[in-house]
Amino acid sequence: EVQLLESGGGLVPPGGSLRLSCSASVFNFSNFAMSWVRQAPGKGLEWVSTLRGIDGSTFYAEAVRGRFSFFRDNSKNTLYLHMNNLGAGDTALYFCAKGSGSYKTEFDYWGQGTLVTVSS
Amino acid sequence: DIQMTQSPSTLSASVGDRVTITCRASQGISVYLAWYQQKPGKPPKLLINKASSLQSGVPSRFSGGGSGAEFTLTISSLQPEDFATYYCQQYNSYWITFGQGTRLEIK
Repeated sequence: EVQLLESGGGLVPPGGSLRLSCSASVFNFSNFAMSWVRQAPGKGLEWVSTLRGIDGSTFYAEAVRGRFSFFRDNSKNTLYLHMNNLGAGDTALYFCAKGSGSYKTEFDYWGQGTLVTVSS
Repeated sequence: DIQMTQSPSTLSASVGDRVTITCRASQGISVYLAWYQQKPGKPPKLLINKASSLQSGVPSRFSGGGSGAEFTLTISSLQPEDFATYYCQQYNSYWITFGQGTRLEIK
């Protein structure tokens, strides 16, 4: 069964950086679009970024563009979200989500999430 | 970005009721719409994709409809385990957006 496991969350001061990881089992990243979705405490879901499996193209929400970088290591079947210049608005539970396809896709599997708290 | 507006934000209902949640897109998205159910402390669970296609293992009391810019999620007979928050999501482009959520609570 597909499993996604996020890690790397924690407490970081404003302006700091953090790298999240998402390790995946069973499937090959190259065939699917993979995404990060976040959820601030008590709030709704917010799409953050997508990495297209077939060519590694990346897409970012305006709120994080220029600060976040999404990349993958195929040899480790692991995805990474590098986050810079973090602010209070980035405090959230970050989910890794698998697309059911490689393009125009919904998310059929989700990890349990890793919590990022930006605070001094 | 395409804006997704769900209504109502909160819905109070009883076991056995039929309920409908609406999701409107700020522009046409064909049928590239998904519905998710989320319970406290859990990740979202995919219920429906392509506006009306029921995900494997999801009970048949859930159904989705619509195309273009207006969509619905209907639960034909509420069960106790259905009380949760529901989100719609458009994926007509890579710049994905979610609705703000509908909290379904017990009356």
